[in-house]
Amino acid sequence: AQKVTQTQTSISVMEKTTVTMDCVYETQDSSYFLFWYKQTASGEIVFLIRQDSYKKENATVGHYSLNFQKPKSSIGLIITATQIEDSAVYFCAMREMVTGNTRKLIFGLGTTLQVQP
Amino acid sequence: ETAVFQTPNYHVTQVGNEVSFNCKQTLGHDTMYWYKQDSKKLLKIMFSYNNKQLIVNETVPRRFSPQSSDKAHLNLRIKSVEPEDSAVYLCASSLGISGNTLYFGEGSRLIVV
Repeated sequence: AQKVTQTQTSISVMEKTTVTMDCVYETQDSSYFLFWYKQTASGEIVFLIRQDSYKKENATVGHYSLNFQKPKSSIGLIITATQIEDSAVYFCAMREMVTGNTRKLIFGLGTTLQVQP
Repeated sequence: ETAVFQTPNYHVTQVGNEVSFNCKQTLGHDTMYWYKQDSKKLLKIMFSYNNKQLIVNETVPRRFSPQSSDKAHLNLRIKSVEPEDSAVYLCASSLGISGNTLYFGEGSRLIVV
């Protein structure tokens, strides 16, 4: 069975620093898709960034970047120059194959990030 | 900017009642989903529809039934709610059934008393 594991339950950092959130996954697929989402205090889940397994270059969007280590089945999220409003729960996710081309998105348990002033 | 709209955002009801949640997306996507998020923040898929066809049906109690009138709408009906149905129900959509990104609505919180 495919699985997404986030071992860090919560992290607290000072504003303007860099934080890395860990995520490891298990899959038998040769091609797969990895995502990071953020859930704000209001409950809204917002897509942040994605990495397709066949791409060697780490994805970067604004102050979010990924550390994709395929041999280790690891997809870490790096947030540089953190801001107070980055405080949220961060979910790692993977599109898991159901059958044929159909895939469902499965999530890790999330990491709560607290950015302190 | 939200493009996946859910109603109601919040609902309190008694055990045994029927509840319906509605979801509409304006992204032009062809695939829609219902997820359940429990009190521990665990997100689990319940159903997925592609062009009004059910394509993913996880093991959920029979009292849950999805309904899709067209590819932009996916509703969720719960007949005879139970206390364990208290959760946040999140609707999402994507283009295609494979690797594309899911976009979520703001969620519908259900409290069963």
